[in-house]
Amino acid sequence: SQTIHQWPATLVQPVGSPLSLECTVEGTSNPNLYWYRQAAGRGLQLLFYSVGIGQISSEVPQNLSASRPQDRQFILSSKKLLLSDSGFYLCAWSPLGNTIYFGEGSWLTVV
Amino acid sequence: GIQVEQSPPDLILQEGANSTLRCNFSDSVNNLQWFHQNPWGQLINLFYIPSGTKQNGRLSATTVATERYSLLYISSSQTTDSGVYFCAVHRGGSNYKLTFGKGTLLTVNP
Repeated sequence: SQTIHQWPATLVQPVGSPLSLECTVEGTSNPNLYWYRQAAGRGLQLLFYSVGIGQISSEVPQNLSASRPQDRQFILSSKKLLLSDSGFYLCAWSPLGNTIYFGEGSWLTVV
Repeated sequence: GIQVEQSPPDLILQEGANSTLRCNFSDSVNNLQWFHQNPWGQLINLFYIPSGTKQNGRLSATTVATERYSLLYISSSQTTDSGVYFCAVHRGGSNYKLTFGKGTLLTVNP
């Protein structure tokens, strides 16, 4: 069966420090991969999605970037964090045209 | 882009009560999903329901695609049903980008 994992689960980072959140999917190949952010107020915002290795689409201009170095690995990064980057980050995957599945999430607090 | 509106934004129930959550969307969609976000933040898939009716235990969902809405029914609610319920839709295409509503915060009191 397919599983998705992301880490770290929680982190507290100072303003200006770098960020790396990692997500891996097991049990499938060539999935669509996504990074969502959930800020205070509940709404989920799509940040990036990828349909294949090295193919990244950005939904909103921001201080973050994403990379897909391997088929089932998706990384969310920042060179210098801002206070506004705080939030709950969710990685997700889906086979084409089907249900989307989310990871456990990563709580980021920028101080 | 497509707009997704959920109602009510907040709902408080006593254990054992029934409820109906609504999701309206502004354009035709290929797919629609309902999720439950538990207090720890994890999003749990409830239904994949682009049209028709499905049931899973005390939960059921109905999507009327031609009228652009979906309903989630929770019967005999339990405290473990508390959390945020999200509706998300996909308009079509190969990249499968979901657009989420803002959710309904459900609190079930004992």
